[in-house]
Amino acid sequence: GQQVMQIPQYQHVQEGEDFTTYCNSSTTLSNIQWYKQRPGGHPVFLIQLVKSGEVKKQKRLTFQFGEAKKNSSLHITATQTTDVGTYFCAGQGTAGNKLTFGGGTRVLVKP
Amino acid sequence: DAGITQSPRHKVTETGTPVTLRCHQTENHRYMYWYRQDPGHGLRLIHYSYGVKDTDKGEVSDGYSVSRSKTEDFLLTLESATSSQTSVYFCATGQGMGEQYFGPGTRLTVT
Repeated sequence: GQQVMQIPQYQHVQEGEDFTTYCNSSTTLSNIQWYKQRPGGHPVFLIQLVKSGEVKKQKRLTFQFGEAKKNSSLHITATQTTDVGTYFCAGQGTAGNKLTFGGGTRVLVKP
Repeated sequence: DAGITQSPRHKVTETGTPVTLRCHQTENHRYMYWYRQDPGHGLRLIHYSYGVKDTDKGEVSDGYSVSRSKTEDFLLTLESATSSQTSVYFCATGQGMGEQYFGPGTRLTVT
């Protein structure tokens, strides 16, 4: 079945620095979505990418979808303490309405 | 957030007992999903529903059953709980190919 791998599993970041988390699917995707989960909370939708090579920005967050629609990345610039949490990518295959989630990148920010 | 509630929010039960978790939505979304979240595994799909009385298995469906008799309610049943089913369970809803909205989660401990 479809598998989605996400690296790194943990990311310790100094406040103000940038970092990137990567997501790779074993199969071509219809779209990829990103979610953020704060400690003790539930996943909250951030964005959806649909087109090959698509790039979207949300303030300090930049999301990319690979040309082959099998990988994606999330880049955060000037990390803030409010960025603490776990970021999940989730791929939707071409055959159905299910999402396959990556294992997540847990972000810890050092002030 | 979409109007999604889960009950109970916390439950401790003994091995071998049946357990039912409830998800209720007020958004009239067609699709409803049950996930479990365990450290290192991200979110894994247990079962999902694409309409009243229409359900299908996810990647970790063994030991779980579901029912959806009304659009707004999706029940997850553990017929005979085992310690391996100790987890945080999230319900989610959506319209298909877009974002999913997650409930607050149920923390289940099987002793």
